[in-house]
Amino acid sequence: GAVVSQHPSWVICKSGTSVKIECRSLDFQATTMFWYRQFPKQSLMLMATSNEGSKATYEQGVEKDKFLINHASLTLSTLTVTSAHPEDSSFYICSASPPSSENTEAFFGQGTRLTVV
Amino acid sequence: GQNIDQPTEMTATEGAIVQINCTYQTSGFNGLFWYQQHAGEAPTFLSYNVLDGLEEKGRFSSFLSRSKGYSYLLLKELQMKDSASYLCAVKDSNYQLIWGAGTKLIIKP
Repeated sequence: GAVVSQHPSWVICKSGTSVKIECRSLDFQATTMFWYRQFPKQSLMLMATSNEGSKATYEQGVEKDKFLINHASLTLSTLTVTSAHPEDSSFYICSASPPSSENTEAFFGQGTRLTVV
Repeated sequence: GQNIDQPTEMTATEGAIVQINCTYQTSGFNGLFWYQQHAGEAPTFLSYNVLDGLEEKGRFSSFLSRSKGYSYLLLKELQMKDSASYLCAVKDSNYQLIWGAGTKLIIKP
């Protein structure tokens, strides 16, 4: 299957600082990538859709100025959590699909465990 | 609103069979997915159903009834490594994935 790589796998940061998470499609080009957040024992929640070369589309209730998304190339999308606070601590996961299977399967990165102290 | 329901937790015995049910109400339907997620890891794809019926893949099978808004994932010959959360997800009319909360499956020896 296709490979999506996410980095870092975990990060601890101080309250008020910013954290950048990278999501790369290693063996295919992805015009669209998705960013999810998952709190313990809860479902995946779509935060935003990252579109290569254009602005991301944010879900209702997600602050676009706090969660900055950049999709500058067909293989890389980044999520920056700005001025992080303890309530931003969560598991962040990206996903993408090759054009050949975009309707049948989503491939996920390894996820990033963010802890804000 | 859109909603996907699945049991919160199930327990089964190693070597046995377990069926995890999923019911959905979504705006449109473009396929139903089952994913496995171990704690602290990303989901991994198990199956995809878009037409009614049973899809079999090794020890895992998935069934879909679109008229009933219902699916199940059947796991046979359970192994300890099958202990995980199983997520049901539906693609709606906009091809957006709507996720269930997941069913935590506990396998006992």
